[in-house]
Amino acid sequence: AQTVTQSQPEMSVQEAETVTLSCTYDTSESDYYLFWYKQPPSRQMILVIRQEAYKQQNATENRFSVNFQKAAKSFSLKISDSQLGDAAMYFCAYRRNTGNQFYFGTGTSLTVIP
Amino acid sequence: EAGVVQSPRYKIIEKKQPVAFWCNPISGHNTLYWYLQNLGQGPELLIRYENEEAVDDSQLPKDRFSAERLKGVDSTLKIQPAELGDSAVYLCASSRRQDFDEQFFGPGTRLTVL
Repeated sequence: AQTVTQSQPEMSVQEAETVTLSCTYDTSESDYYLFWYKQPPSRQMILVIRQEAYKQQNATENRFSVNFQKAAKSFSLKISDSQLGDAAMYFCAYRRNTGNQFYFGTGTSLTVIP
Repeated sequence: EAGVVQSPRYKIIEKKQPVAFWCNPISGHNTLYWYLQNLGQGPELLIRYENEEAVDDSQLPKDRFSAERLKGVDSTLKIQPAELGDSAVYLCASSRRQDFDEQFFGPGTRLTVL
């Protein structure tokens, strides 16, 4: 079974600084997809960034980028130039290549300090 | 494009009472998910539908929980009778049955059982 582990329950970052959130996963599959979701206090989860496992190039979306290490089964999220609006719970998720099953980590609560 | 709609947003009931949650997915999304999210935790899948068929309900406590997705569009999740431990946020999400597609989440229903 696939498992997703986020070892940092809470993180904080100074506004305008950079922070990295960690995620590891366990799978025996070679092809899959990885996602980072953000859940602000309003509760609606929104997609931040996604990565296809067969792509070696790390995904980037504006201030958000990932460090995907397939051999190590690691998928960390880097937030550059942190803003107050980045404060939220961040969930790492794994999706199998076949089927529509998603597996979520337990989340990291990010605080941005003004 | 309208997002995933859920109602009600909040529900407070006495234990042993029944409760129902409703979800309207994004138009054209074949796959619908119901998740349970406890405070400070990641979403845990309760049931997944492909069109009107429940293809993964292994985590649904069938003695008290039931769900339906008539005509492969809207879905209803029911709890009868509710227990104190059912207090949580119930999230609905939908996705297209295509590779690399993300899930889109609704705002959730926060259930409090007294």
